[in-house]
Amino acid sequence: SQTIHQWPATLVQPVGSPLSLECTVEGTSNPNLYWYRQAAGRGLQLLFYSVGIGQISSEVPQNLSASRPQDRQFILSSKKLLLSDSGFYLCAWSVRVTKNYGYTFGSGTRLTVV
Amino acid sequence: ILNVEQSPQSLHVQEGDSTNFTCSFPSSNFYALHWYRWETAKSPEALFVMTLNGDEKKKGRISATLNTKEGYSYLYIKGSQPEDSATYLCAFKAKTSYDKVIFGPGTSLSVIP
Repeated sequence: SQTIHQWPATLVQPVGSPLSLECTVEGTSNPNLYWYRQAAGRGLQLLFYSVGIGQISSEVPQNLSASRPQDRQFILSSKKLLLSDSGFYLCAWSVRVTKNYGYTFGSGTRLTVV
Repeated sequence: ILNVEQSPQSLHVQEGDSTNFTCSFPSSNFYALHWYRWETAKSPEALFVMTLNGDEKKKGRISATLNTKEGYSYLYIKGSQPEDSATYLCAFKAKTSYDKVIFGPGTSLSVIP
């Protein structure tokens, strides 16, 4: 069966520090991978998605970047965090090229930038 | 810009009441519509994936309908229970960007025992 792992669960970082959040998927190949963020009092905002190794689509201009160094690994990074980067970050995967599957989400990372 | 709306924003019902929420999406570019349940301290969990106009799906006491021509979907909960308390998200997948979904803001449901 497929599983998705996301870590860390919580993170408190000072402004200006770097960030690296990691997400890995097991039990499937060639997944679509996604990073979403929920800012306080708001819905889920799509940040990045990837349909293959090295292929990253960015949805919103921001202080963050994403990379996909391996088929089932998706990394969210920042060189210098801003206060506005605080939020709840969710990684998700889905089956490629089909309309009949929903997304499976990781357990999330609560990031607080202080 | 794809706009997905949900109403109401929040809802409080008594245990045993039936309830429903609405998701509105662009009808001209439809590919698929997802519903998710997001309980506090957990991850969103997929409830339904709907792809055809007129689709009706059911899982236990929860059901959903889809009207792609007018751009809306309804989620129904029959005989609400406290464990149904969660945020219910719909997510729209457009034909022109079928590799991703855009989430609505959600409806927060609280079921009072």
